[in-house]
Amino acid sequence: KNQVEQSPQSLIILEGKNCTLQCNYTVSPFSNLRWYKQDTGRGPVSLTIMTFSENTKSNGRYTATLDADTKQSSLHITASQLSDSASYICVVTILTGGGNKLTFGTGTQLKVEL
Amino acid sequence: GAGVSQSPSNKVTEKGKDVELRCDPISGHTALYWYRQSLGQGLEFLIYFQGNSAPDKSGLPSDRFSAERTGGSVSTLTIQRTQQEDSAVYLCASSLSVLAGGYEQYFGPGTRLTVT
Repeated sequence: KNQVEQSPQSLIILEGKNCTLQCNYTVSPFSNLRWYKQDTGRGPVSLTIMTFSENTKSNGRYTATLDADTKQSSLHITASQLSDSASYICVVTILTGGGNKLTFGTGTQLKVEL
Repeated sequence: GAGVSQSPSNKVTEKGKDVELRCDPISGHTALYWYRQSLGQGLEFLIYFQGNSAPDKSGLPSDRFSAERTGGSVSTLTIQRTQQEDSAVYLCASSLSVLAGGYEQYFGPGTRLTVT
């Protein structure tokens, strides 16, 4: 079982609509959580990064929330655009004796249609 | 400024051959990471170079995989005796600090490796 679970696995929405992507994690101890956007054929690009003490972080039309108690995060996309079509990856950083390690979710594939 | 670059962008090789993948990190970034992304799978951590310290090789899937970072800059990921299951996109990332948790990682475009 993946330590970082994302849902849904894929999602199709109409342009202009809002959507919310979910990320549940079991890894600990937690350092921070990031959301990345990865366009097809490109490397991931960071959208938000939140530490343990942060509950929400916005980046334009993207708003991420974090509940460290329930180990859940969400990424809300407002007024979607065709260019939002991509894979969205949740990444959790944990603290280890050897340093910090990143654990990646398998992503949510979002498609925005006309 | 220039971002992380990787070469080649695509590589097709025959099973059993060795391949080398190159990563040029952002200038001044002390940390460098290699990841693998197989079709339909998430990003898989391979190896992490942390400044002048010994690299974290805990993610390398087998002893056919190795990586080096010369002069604290360019890195090469080498896969020996390639197998079909090695087919994937290999992504490189760099960050300002060796503290992976606190600093943003910037990813390159990846190298798509196909083993036939």
